[in-house]
Amino acid sequence: DIVMTQSPDSLAVSLGERATIHCKSSESLLFRPNNKYSLSWYQQKPGQPPSLLIYWATTRHSGVPDRFTGSGSGTDFTLTISSLQAEDVAVYYCHQYSSSPSTFGQGTKLELK
Amino acid sequence: QVQLQESGPGLVKPSEILSLTCNVSGDLIRYKYWSWIRQSPGKGLEWIGQFYNGGVISYNPSFKSRATISGDTSKNQFSLRLTSVTAADTAVYFCVREQLGFWPDVWGRGSHVTVSS
Repeated sequence: DIVMTQSPDSLAVSLGERATIHCKSSESLLFRPNNKYSLSWYQQKPGQPPSLLIYWATTRHSGVPDRFTGSGSGTDFTLTISSLQAEDVAVYYCHQYSSSPSTFGQGTKLELK
Repeated sequence: QVQLQESGPGLVKPSEILSLTCNVSGDLIRYKYWSWIRQSPGKGLEWIGQFYNGGVISYNPSFKSRATISGDTSKNQFSLRLTSVTAADTAVYFCVREQLGFWPDVWGRGSHVTVSS
C-alpha cells in the first residue's frame, strides 16, 4: 500500500495568516493518462464527515474558497490556506487514489493561535 | 443535491456480522462508483472497498475477505457486510460516492458502530 505521511501533526496559525500542510507519499502519484497527480485533500470538522477540497492535487472542488490551494508533484504535496479564517479550524487529510487500496494521511489538526 | 444516508445497528457483538446499508438520493447508483470508508482513532481513515455498476467490486486486502459490498439498483442503495468482527472494527463507517472511481466527493454523515459484548 502507498503510505501517506502528513506534517506537521498539528499547527496553530493566527487569523489572516498563512497555513501550510505537507503530505508525502511513499510512491509517485503521477497518473500518466492525464499527466496529473492522484492526490486529494479533505477538511473535517468535529462531528462531520470529511469534505472534499482539492483533487488532482491542484483542482479546487466546486464551492471551495480560493484561499485553499493545492500544489506539488511526484511524492510531495502541499495544501496552503492563504489567509486563515475562523471557520478553517479543522483536521485536514490528504488522500491518494493512484493505486488500490486508496490510502489517507494521518491528518493535520489546524488550530487558531 | 446528492445525499447518502447510512443505516444499521450501532452495536455488534464480537465474532458476529456487521451490516450497513447506504441509501442514495439525488443520483443513481448505476454507472457510478460507491465505496465504504471507516474512521477510527487507532487507524484513521481506511478505505474498505468499492462497488460499481452491479457487480464490479474491489476490496482492500486488509479486510482479508471479511468484507462484502453489494448493490441494489431497484432500491438505489448499496450495502456493506463485515464478518467476524472484533473490537478493532469499532469505528464510524461512511458510505461515499467516488468520482471516476478515484476521489470521494460526497460522504454520508457516518454510522458509528461499536463492537462489544
